[in-house]
Amino acid sequence: KAGVTQTPRYLIKTRGQQVTLSCSPISGHRSVSWYQQTPGQGLQFLFEYFSETQRNKGNFPGRFSGRQFSNSRSEMNVSTLELGDSALYLCASSSQTGDTEAFFGQGTRLTVV
Amino acid sequence: QKEVEQNSGPLSVPEGAIASLNCTYSDRGSQSFFWYRQYSGKSPELIMFIYSNGDKEDGRFTAQLNKASQYVSLLIRDSQPSDSATYLCAVRSGGSYIPTFGRGTSLIVHP
Repeated sequence: KAGVTQTPRYLIKTRGQQVTLSCSPISGHRSVSWYQQTPGQGLQFLFEYFSETQRNKGNFPGRFSGRQFSNSRSEMNVSTLELGDSALYLCASSSQTGDTEAFFGQGTRLTVV
Repeated sequence: QKEVEQNSGPLSVPEGAIASLNCTYSDRGSQSFFWYRQYSGKSPELIMFIYSNGDKEDGRFTAQLNKASQYVSLLIRDSQPSDSATYLCAVRSGGSYIPTFGRGTSLIVHP
């Protein structure tokens, strides 16, 4: 079956703009988590959605938000972009039925200039 | 604050040797442990998970868990240059669906 799909793969934005990233989980998976990965901070958890509800949230400012749709697809939005938001944004899906291993998408590389 | 610590490396081993990657964690309530491999410019790929104390083997990979000492390790036997990557340790506490990731150990397998 198809894996986790993230779009777009690459983005270049200007400071102050906003951006929306998309993630389609593995079919049947209801949990979607978002992570930010930078060389300095490693993989940091942003938030997790399950059945259209935000179930967990990491320690990021309110400029970072997300949502999940009824088909489990998720979007992440970052407003008022800052240079420090440049990172690889990864989405992971899991089934949440016991074997809760997370599977990652290919990521979206965001560059803020 | 739940912490997962890994030596950043790089760990350099010759082809054919055993590579040993270690990870320690702070939360004694941790119940699930994962190893991901991440090639440069790619996303993390799950290679092993372990829930119980002891060893778990899968091909050339062996995960070892010692909850009393709060460490988990990954052994790669017969290391190949294609194993060169960053290995991320992830730990999940009971009742939480969100794993905490270490910063990863860079492994270099040289011919």
